Amino acid sequence: RKEVEQDPGPFNVPEGATVAFNCTYSNSASQSFFWYRQDCRKEPKLLMSVYSSGNEDGRFTAQLNRASQYISLLIRDSKLSDSATYLCVVDDYNQGGKLIFGQGTELSVKP
Amino acid sequence: ETGVTQTPRHLVMGMTNKKSLKCEQHLGHNAMYWYKQSAKKPLELMFVYNFKEQTENNSVPSRFSPECPNSSHLFLHLHTLQPEDSALYLCASSRDPTDTQYFGPGTRLTVL
Repeated sequence: RKEVEQDPGPFNVPEGATVAFNCTYSNSASQSFFWYRQDCRKEPKLLMSVYSSGNEDGRFTAQLNRASQYISLLIRDSKLSDSATYLCVVDDYNQGGKLIFGQGTELSVKP
Repeated sequence: ETGVTQTPRHLVMGMTNKKSLKCEQHLGHNAMYWYKQSAKKPLELMFVYNFKEQTENNSVPSRFSPECPNSSHLFLHLHTLQPEDSALYLCASSRDPTDTQYFGPGTRLTVL
């Protein structure tokens, strides 16, 4: 099983759609969870941290399910500018101490 | 944003050249990283430094040689590279190895 596994994508959605990305992780001891966004040919940038209670930032909602070792990102009312690759990131607690990046899910929002 | 800077932004080199990539962070972080990202591929972690000490070498070929003289600077020395080493090389830093990482803009490397 991969340490961090994401929906393979790509996701092609119309403007205004709601889209959800899923991510699973293998280390049950992981403590830190993030979603990053990477635009084409640019560096990854932090989108939001993911907290146990779930958190929301405008149109973006992140959820964590520790029992199922599952993280999700929901984007409501998609904009053209949301087109990017979304990376799920988890720490490898007790295995060296670093972040593990998923392979990313590409989102393309069309007019 | 100028939290993490990388130079050069673009580099073209021959297989026999020696060059160095530079990364500098102005965030007061203690951990720094080198990643490689080939076209349409996921990030590959290469090296991790924490408090100037290398804590991870992810089976990287010896033609890539990192150097971390202090917590703010990280170098990647390149020699006798192969065309398949052409990629985007990203530097990142964080307060500690499990904290949020902030990336530089990357160096786009082409090996001829």
